[in-house]
Amino acid sequence: GAVVSQHPSWVICKSGTSVKIECRSLDFQATTMFWYRQFPKQSLMLMATSNEGSKATYEQGVEKDKFLINHASLTLSTLTVTSAHPEDSSFYICSAPRGNRRDQPQHFGDGTRLSIL
Amino acid sequence: AQSVAQPEDQVNVAEGNPLTVKCTYSVSGNPYLFWYVQYPNRGLQFLLKYITGDNLVKGSYGFEAEFNKSQTSFHLKKPSALVSDSALYFCAVRDRNAGNMLTFGGGTRLMVKP
Repeated sequence: GAVVSQHPSWVICKSGTSVKIECRSLDFQATTMFWYRQFPKQSLMLMATSNEGSKATYEQGVEKDKFLINHASLTLSTLTVTSAHPEDSSFYICSAPRGNRRDQPQHFGDGTRLSIL
Repeated sequence: AQSVAQPEDQVNVAEGNPLTVKCTYSVSGNPYLFWYVQYPNRGLQFLLKYITGDNLVKGSYGFEAEFNKSQTSFHLKKPSALVSDSALYFCAVRDRNAGNMLTFGGGTRLMVKP
């Protein structure tokens, strides 16, 4: 069964709305979670690394004020797309590694398809 | 810096035939290598990984991959393809001496035709 839960699966909303996406690790604690963005027929682009109890680390070119990340507990990270516009429409995926060992695979949520009208 | 290349955007194969999805990588140190599969509107599912030891790694759903250090490759293979294998496949690498960040290849769409 799924070990990382992502919610919601689909969001359709008007331009200017802020949208929150949740990523939960279900049976393990994750001090680090990752947020990706995927455009149609393309690979995953790492947006930011979410760190429990501290600020997220953003990749170059990702607007911190547009994509707010909060890692409030060891099992929950949230991504808020603030004042979303049509160009923010995309597929957003979170992942979390189980433990600190680098040889372990990351576990991915099922993604959130965001459509801004 | 680490990078991954998947030279084929799409691979077409007939059901029952063997399949290969190619992957080459570049890291400064020794790599951890992973293959993931993505079905439409879903996240990524882990298939297999190479950490150390035997160069031939077996994973889920009958997939396997061969690590070739001299060619810096980690091609995904399956002896007999199924129509249900049709999906998007991603190769990923992590430097053993770096953090938890995975670097993904561009993805290869596998189409298995009946």
